[in-house]
Amino acid sequence: AQSVSQHNHHVILSEAASLELGCNYSYGGTVNLFWYVQYPGQHLQLLLKYFSGDPLVKGIKGFEAEFIKSKFSFNLRKPSVQWSDTAEYFCAVSLYGNNRLAFGKGNQVVVIP
Amino acid sequence: EAGVAQSPRYKIIEKRQSVAFWCNPISGHATLYWYQQILGQGPKLLIQFQNNGVVDDSQLPKDRFSAERLKGVDSTLKIQPAKLEDSAVYLCASSPIRDEQYFGPGTRLTVT
Repeated sequence: AQSVSQHNHHVILSEAASLELGCNYSYGGTVNLFWYVQYPGQHLQLLLKYFSGDPLVKGIKGFEAEFIKSKFSFNLRKPSVQWSDTAEYFCAVSLYGNNRLAFGKGNQVVVIP
Repeated sequence: EAGVAQSPRYKIIEKRQSVAFWCNPISGHATLYWYQQILGQGPKLLIQFQNNGVVDDSQLPKDRFSAERLKGVDSTLKIQPAKLEDSAVYLCASSPIRDEQYFGPGTRLTVT
């Protein structure tokens, strides 16, 4: 069955630490890839997306993600986190052409000042 | 630009009762989605509309859930009768035909 996997559901970091969240998917064919973020008390919002082209994509707030097709992965990174990065992060995948998103279970990230 | 609006924000009902949620998408967005997000999980797509037609409702439990999108704008999602396992956040999202989705604040449903 098609699926999106995110591991380490709870991550606790100190400010200035580096963050990397893994995302693996099991879809065949061409995919579009997304990372969404949900800050406390707010709704889901797009962090970054990959449709085609350069596999290293940059998003808002200093986040970036790298698409590695051979590994079916789209890992999210930030070199130095801030307290305001405390949030839940969701990886999502859609098959090219249909726009229907399948989400992973999410990573709850807590940044300690 | 106004975002996706949803109401109510919270709803508590007893099992076997019915409930309805409303969504107003971003103006001009042709595609509208309803997702169910159970605590500790990612959102799961229930139904996708393009304008006022259903594109995909394969994961909608049709024996108790129904949805409509009148005139290709607002949408309602109904549950009748509700079960305990329907307790979740119901998210509405909209997008241009092929692009990123914009999410509303959600409706948190508790079934007791």
